[in-house]
Amino acid sequence: SQQGEEDPQALSIQEGENATMNCSYKTSINNLQWYRQNSGRGLVHLILIRSNEREKHSGRLRVTLDTSKKSSSLLITASRAADTASYFCATDPGGSYIPTFGRGTSLIVHP
Amino acid sequence: DAGVTQSPTHLIKTRGQQVTLRCSPISGHKSVSWYQQVLGQGPQFIFQYYEKEERGRGNFPDRFSARQFPNYSSELNVNALLLGDSALYLCASSLGLRETQYFGPGTRLLVL
Repeated sequence: SQQGEEDPQALSIQEGENATMNCSYKTSINNLQWYRQNSGRGLVHLILIRSNEREKHSGRLRVTLDTSKKSSSLLITASRAADTASYFCATDPGGSYIPTFGRGTSLIVHP
Repeated sequence: DAGVTQSPTHLIKTRGQQVTLRCSPISGHKSVSWYQQVLGQGPQFIFQYYEKEERGRGNFPDRFSARQFPNYSSELNVNALLLGDSALYLCASSLGLRETQYFGPGTRLLVL
């Protein structure tokens, strides 16, 4: 079963626009991670946010975490065609050390 | 430094056969995990090894097995292949447990 669920399942935007993806989870976590996957290849780690953090930035990426709502969001600002990929959130439910992935959001950025 | 490497990149097998997938972790990483990703889904956890011991097992049948060698590389074995085993198999390494996992490019397995 999936611990984290990303929303929306698919997102299509124009280059330069911002893209926001959400992740909801069911049980308590120690941390939440976001990964990117290009065309069915390996996953690239983007950012890790711990349960005691509310917001984290990395370049054009901004991640927020609301543990009271059991949700996280990933914002990509000024998107580029190269950002086209699937984005997954991964949690460690119940404090286990095994990241559990959602089904992902498929992002298409049109040049 | 080289990232996580996996071999082979692609593999075609027929039902009932056995397959072995290989993974070399990032230098210095002592934990290796295996995931199965079916088309359109997120990766599903199969195994995690740390210091050559199994530290976690996902909800997969006993046809799936793995091991970690003294140099921390790992093999995933799948016996009696089924059509449903067709997937991208991902290996990830980390310094230790509860550390960020870094993924390899995957092995795409097709079972006919």
